[in-house]
Amino acid sequence: GAGVSQSPSNKVTEKGKDVELRCDPISGHTALYWYRQSLGQGLEFLIYFQGNSAPDKSGLPSDRFSAERTGGSVSTLTIQRTQQEDSAVYLCASSPSHWVGQFFGPGTRLTVL
Amino acid sequence: KQEVTQIPAALSVPEGENLVLNCSFTDSAIYNLQWFRQDPGKGLTSLLLIQSSQREQTSGRLNASLDKSSGRSTLYIAASQPGDSATYLCAVYNAGNNRKLIWGLGTSLAVNP
Repeated sequence: GAGVSQSPSNKVTEKGKDVELRCDPISGHTALYWYRQSLGQGLEFLIYFQGNSAPDKSGLPSDRFSAERTGGSVSTLTIQRTQQEDSAVYLCASSPSHWVGQFFGPGTRLTVL
Repeated sequence: KQEVTQIPAALSVPEGENLVLNCSFTDSAIYNLQWFRQDPGKGLTSLLLIQSSQREQTSGRLNASLDKSSGRSTLYIAASQPGDSATYLCAVYNAGNNRKLIWGLGTSLAVNP
């Protein structure tokens, strides 16, 4: 596809369950970002991948959150033992260069009951 | 620490008005600034990207300016239309190595027919 895709679009889970969110970036984009948008709050940076470099995990809120990017393309964000405060829209973005900007996927709306 | 503020938080205007949305940031050491639009329940659409060396960018009825030294950007919308109703987000590219975006909370715009 032409744009960034994310799946699932919506995910409802029970507290304590693990969830996996997927992001397919635009082909050829070396940078991939995950952000979180909580109700009534701004977007917050979670993690950044750039090529084969070690990811910048400085935005991950706890050790229950992890992410990987396989083959420099698809990325998966995993949240273990979900809590109600994890409910948010999780947005993925990719970029070929900061000179061009970041391109966002439609997001995954996560609801933890 | 970079902080981004957007004023006003909400705006309601009649169709046809020219609008100015404001964005300010505390650290002028930025790479770029990007304006986005977010429609309810949907992802982010990039509107304009201004490089740190540029003063403004234009796309159709939209014009974004950047005064890096004073830490300000404005998004000007000419001849507003009901279809412009959305939340407008300003984000600056962190000057660090990860090029992450630091976000404002947005301006919620309603253009009434």
